[in-house]
Amino acid sequence: QVQLQESGPGLVKPSQTLSLTCTVSGDSISSHFYYWSWIRQHPGQGLEWIGYIYHTGSTFYKPSLKSRVTMSLDTSKTQFSLTLSSVTAADTALYYCARLTYSSPYYYFDFWGQGILVTVSS
Amino acid sequence: EIVLTQSPGTLSLSPGERATLSCRASQRVNSNYLAWYQQKPGQAPSLLIYGASNRATGIPDRFSGSGSGTDFTLTISRLEPEDSAVYYCQHYGSSLTFGGGTKVEIK
Repeated sequence: QVQLQESGPGLVKPSQTLSLTCTVSGDSISSHFYYWSWIRQHPGQGLEWIGYIYHTGSTFYKPSLKSRVTMSLDTSKTQFSLTLSSVTAADTALYYCARLTYSSPYYYFDFWGQGILVTVSS
Repeated sequence: EIVLTQSPGTLSLSPGERATLSCRASQRVNSNYLAWYQQKPGQAPSLLIYGASNRATGIPDRFSGSGSGTDFTLTISRLEPEDSAVYYCQHYGSSLTFGGGTKVEIK
């Protein structure tokens, strides 16, 4: 069974950089069927896709966040990471990592981490 | 960027009733890329429907999806207490997007 687990600091100061890691177990992170994704949920609100990274290292980010987002992949550790720079209180959210699967001709998120709450506050 | 608008915002129904949730796209979308998720309080979302009408593994047949073009529907034919949750539609495209969600409350 595939499992994803987010890790990282739960508190980040304004203007600093948020860094999270997602550890994947139960499957290969190198498969060409998967796009490794970050999604966040502001308190009491809906879901916001941040971006994803493919096994080749190619990335695709939400346009409004693109200037502040970087994603990377470590296949040896079966981990992928998110950094979000210059954070403000508006970046306070529950951050999920998730697997976006391509199963021709469909795309869908089939596995999610439990989520990690990140608060931006001094 | 495609915008997905879900309605109603909240649906309050009794067990055994039928729930009809709407997801409308701001432009025509590929139905193969339209999915629905269920999120219960304190939990991560979980996949219900992919390709607009295909149930994910282990999803009861009381859940069904339909639609094409700009209008999609998630139907829960006979509500059970455990169906109390927020339901999101999502589209994979040039910019992946989620709808705002519909909260289903069981009376």
